[in-house]
Amino acid sequence: SYELAQPPSVSVSPGQTARITCSGDALAKQYAYWYQQKPGQAPSLLIYKDSERPSGIPERFSGSSSGTTVTLTISGVQAEDEADYYCQSVDISGRVFGGGTKLTVL
Amino acid sequence: QVHLVESGGGLVKPGGSLRLSCAASGFTFSDYQMTWIRQAPGKGLEWISYITSSGSYANYADSMKGRFTISRDNAKNSLYLQMNSLRAEDTAVYYCARDRLSAHEGMDVWGQGTTVTVSS
Repeated sequence: SYELAQPPSVSVSPGQTARITCSGDALAKQYAYWYQQKPGQAPSLLIYKDSERPSGIPERFSGSSSGTTVTLTISGVQAEDEADYYCQSVDISGRVFGGGTKLTVL
Repeated sequence: QVHLVESGGGLVKPGGSLRLSCAASGFTFSDYQMTWIRQAPGKGLEWISYITSSGSYANYADSMKGRFTISRDNAKNSLYLQMNSLRAEDTAVYYCARDRLSAHEGMDVWGQGTTVTVSS
């Protein structure tokens, strides 16, 4: 199976824009998904099919894709956005997660 | 309300076995693929296995093949994970999730997790 690479951490001040990348060869052919996990909680779906938002997800969360890299963008970051973010995709052998990125709101 | 509740976690000795359960409610369980994911303490998410809606096909992460078995009982709205030959590195929170990846809609419902500790 292939791997998805994410930066371990990203820091941003409130109100600024955070960008979290996820890279992997298969992303050129497969959709990416993003999950948010707050401390002590189960993960929850944030973005599906590269850029679609499930109902109830604020518009400040967006996703984009370019080649083998997908990006989660959080505009106007709020303190409550401090969490771990995981990208995920599929390959012939199943599902794979990126290593996760801890977003710190300064 | 769509809901998944895991159970069956606990303390088990190395080499032992454990069966996890995931009870589904609020949706037609038999219509959906299901997945198990785990998270070791302080670590990231690791996909374990998924099973098709009918239970006719399952797939596993390479590191779990041969030791873990996923199954489901659609009549009971339940998903299971049989874990054998457990090792210390299997210590983790185990989550079940509704898997809509075949429709490109992600793992859209997650349980709260059940904790498995493998230690002598």
